[in-house]
Amino acid sequence: AQTVTQSQPEMSVQEAETVTLSCTYDTSESDYYLFWYKQPPSRQMILVIRQEAYKQQNATENRFSVNFQKAAKSFSLKISDSQLGDAAMYFCAYFSGYALNFGKGTSLLVTP
Amino acid sequence: NAGVTQTPKFRVLKTGQSMTLLCAQDMNHEYMYWYRQDPGMGLRLIHYSVGEGTTAKGEVPDGYNVSRLKKQNFLLGLESAAPSQTSVYFCASRPTGLNEQFFGPGTRLTVL
Repeated sequence: AQTVTQSQPEMSVQEAETVTLSCTYDTSESDYYLFWYKQPPSRQMILVIRQEAYKQQNATENRFSVNFQKAAKSFSLKISDSQLGDAAMYFCAYFSGYALNFGKGTSLLVTP
Repeated sequence: NAGVTQTPKFRVLKTGQSMTLLCAQDMNHEYMYWYRQDPGMGLRLIHYSVGEGTTAKGEVPDGYNVSRLKKQNFLLGLESAAPSQTSVYFCASRPTGLNEQFFGPGTRLTVL
């Protein structure tokens, strides 16, 4: 089974600053999908961004972008111009062909 | 279009009691999933279904049963609840050909 590791249990960033959340994964497959989900206190799982492994270009969604390093099996999330509403748990996930494998999450605190 | 809904939102059980969690989706998705989320952990897959009438075990299936009698519904049953099943349960669905999963709001279950 594929494993997903998020080595930062907690991160903190000031409003308007940039923060990067780390994620590494283990797989023997060559084609797969990676995701970042956001879980605010409301508990709802919200898709932030996705990356297809066969695409070399890093995905970007407004203030959110990824640094996808396929050879290193690394998939970090960069949040630019951080806002108070970005405070949440962030989960990295790998799509295994039928379901998602999640990391343990990183709690992001945004300070004014 | 309600998306993915879960019933109930909260429940408290005593050890040994049984209950069924209902997941419903109105997007005509083929795939449906049940995950559990425990503190300090990401979501872990309990069972999943690739279509009406089919189910399969995930990473942590023990103590749970599921049924998919109708395409739009995916039921998760606990026959004899145990304190170790205290968790937040998420249902998700996705259509064939798309790897993004759509999540319900979650059910918080406490077993005393």
